[in-house]
Amino acid sequence: EAQVTQNPRYLITVTGKKLTVTCSQNMNHEYMSWYRQDPGLGLRQIYYSMNVEVTDKGDVPEGYKVSRKEKRNFPLILESPSPNQTSLYFCASSLKQGLGEQYFGPGTRLTVT
Amino acid sequence: TQLLEQSPQFLSIQEGENLTVYCNSSSVFSSLQWYRQEPGEGPVLLVTVVTGGEVKKLKRLTFQFGDARKDSSLHITAAQTGDTGLYLCGRYSWGKLQFGAGTQVVVTP
Repeated sequence: EAQVTQNPRYLITVTGKKLTVTCSQNMNHEYMSWYRQDPGLGLRQIYYSMNVEVTDKGDVPEGYKVSRKEKRNFPLILESPSPNQTSLYFCASSLKQGLGEQYFGPGTRLTVT
Repeated sequence: TQLLEQSPQFLSIQEGENLTVYCNSSSVFSSLQWYRQEPGEGPVLLVTVVTGGEVKKLKRLTFQFGDARKDSSLHITAAQTGDTGLYLCGRYSWGKLQFGAGTQVVVTP
């Protein structure tokens, strides 16, 4: 089954404790991205990757890092999480940048206390 | 400031009623996508509209793209409880997909 998977689905952590949210897709998509979703603000893009070893900032990149060492994986790293990063996070992939349907993962709900 | 303005923010109707949600921008879209997001899940693409004046139908859902390609609407006929969800419009800008804040639709029995 074609899908985007994320782990964990739920995470509660404390300020400053590094964490990684994993994302994997099995559709051989070139383009992957991370979004955060907050009430009243919709989905905002954090980082995106056009292909292996190619990443770039989205609209709200501060406090986040990403890497794309393999085509299928695109982890999101919070080196020092803060309470304002409490949010619902989605990973998405599409065949190419700027084209077609984006396939979203099920989401990761992160709470930073 | 949202590049895409969606209205209304929230809509609650009873089964069998019709509803329309809107997506507007001050700039021209090359194309527009509509997604639906159900609770606990990621958004799922419903349709992409490309041509000004275009109308697309997906069962009871009708999508319209404005002639000037600055606005779009989604009309649901005879809503069902399964239509409950967050409806998002999105447009590609410089290769990035940007979304409006969404319209939360609740259909009650």
